[in-house]
Amino acid sequence: DAGVIQSPRHEVTEMGQEVTLRCKPISGHNSLFWYRQTMMRGLELLIYFNNNVPIDDSGMPEDRFSAKMPNASFSTLKIQPSEPRDSAVYFCASRTGWGRGNDEQYFGPGTRLTVT
Amino acid sequence: AQSVSQHNHHVILSEAASLELGCNYSYGGTVNLFWYVQYPGQHLQLLLKYFSGDPLVKGIKGFEAEFIKSKFSFNLRKPSVQWSDTAEYVCAVTRFGDKIIFGKGTRLHILP
Repeated sequence: DAGVIQSPRHEVTEMGQEVTLRCKPISGHNSLFWYRQTMMRGLELLIYFNNNVPIDDSGMPEDRFSAKMPNASFSTLKIQPSEPRDSAVYFCASRTGWGRGNDEQYFGPGTRLTVT
Repeated sequence: AQSVSQHNHHVILSEAASLELGCNYSYGGTVNLFWYVQYPGQHLQLLLKYFSGDPLVKGIKGFEAEFIKSKFSFNLRKPSVQWSDTAEYVCAVTRFGDKIIFGKGTRLHILP
């Protein structure tokens, strides 16, 4: 398996532009997570899906952020309009399910976003 | 609220020194515990995990962690570190059916 795939790996954009980050989870995994990582705050959970349904989006910073999971093999995180404080590394992760011992998350390589 | 605390934000050691990174969590009840490692420029990878059984867990690359339920702790250890262990180490905890809570991470720098 190729693991969790994210694109693009790097994104540089100007303030006010729309940014779309993409994620393909590991095949067969039921849950998908979007995280943001910064030096100041560490790893923050933004939103997660279970069986393509958003379960908890309380970590989404504001309405400029939105996420979708139209099918089991694809998810997007969109920021519109982007701001310099959105600069961070955004990770996608997936896991098989909720059972004991099955809670391990597999992380993608991340998208490094820079908003100027 | 549930939380994970990693007391050391930045640790600097010389090669061959012993390592212990602290992790405490605030969940009650039965938990799953993880240590993830992030090497420079790479993504998070699982180092080891605990979900039941022997509270002393062995992971990859000579790392181990001990779950002490009475102290709500899951400290990471390695008897002799190498330069290649330079990375960020993140502790995480989850309860069955709940989302994972991550600590803020400890940046480990090993001097050659």
